Amino acid sequence: AQSVTQLGSHVSVSEGALVLLRCNYSSSVPPYLFWYVQYPNQGLQLLLKYTTGATLVKGINGFEAEFKKSETSFHLTKPSAHMSDAAEYFCAVSTTSGYSTLTFGKGTMLLVSP
Amino acid sequence: DSGVTQTPKHLITATGQRVTLRCSPRSGDLSVYWYQQSLDQGLQFLIQYYNGEERAKGNILERFSAQQFPDLHSELNLSSLELGDSALYFCASSVGAGASGNTIYFGEGSWLTVV
Repeated sequence: AQSVTQLGSHVSVSEGALVLLRCNYSSSVPPYLFWYVQYPNQGLQLLLKYTTGATLVKGINGFEAEFKKSETSFHLTKPSAHMSDAAEYFCAVSTTSGYSTLTFGKGTMLLVSP
Repeated sequence: DSGVTQTPKHLITATGQRVTLRCSPRSGDLSVYWYQQSLDQGLQFLIQYYNGEERAKGNILERFSAQQFPDLHSELNLSSLELGDSALYFCASSVGAGASGNTIYFGEGSWLTVV
């Protein structure tokens, strides 16, 4: 079984500040990890994903995430927040064995103030 | 635009009724997934089809059913609707059968309100 925990249902930052959204996963086999973003009244858009190889993954819109196996974490960061980053962010996990679907965390709403 | 098309975008219906949500996957994608998003449950995986066959089942109620047709479009049927079924229903698609390594693309969802 696999699961995802996102710490903080809401995170508030000022424009230009560092964005850090936390994600911890649980998986009995090596995971594949994903971050999706959902803007108001829209579907989910893939930001980035980790499958194998380099543990620091760069995505769209300046976001990146680092896979840390020892900490079972996959935190999402962006050096400088922009107003347009305000959205809900979902961390998701799937496994490398068999036919696996995505299991999502509860989501973190990112609020960006001027 | 992800390339995944869902209809209708919004639907209001009464308790006890039946509705059908439709999804057209991205061109070339063989897998279709259905997810339910609600405030209390978050994003819940319902069911997956791959090339017309059921591949995986999640937290799908017995009142709900789905199918994938030969042209690869999919329908999610929700019957005997209850107030608690009000949610945003997402369809998603991918090329392969599993999420591992495959990028899953999501549609914009179908908002269902049961009154």
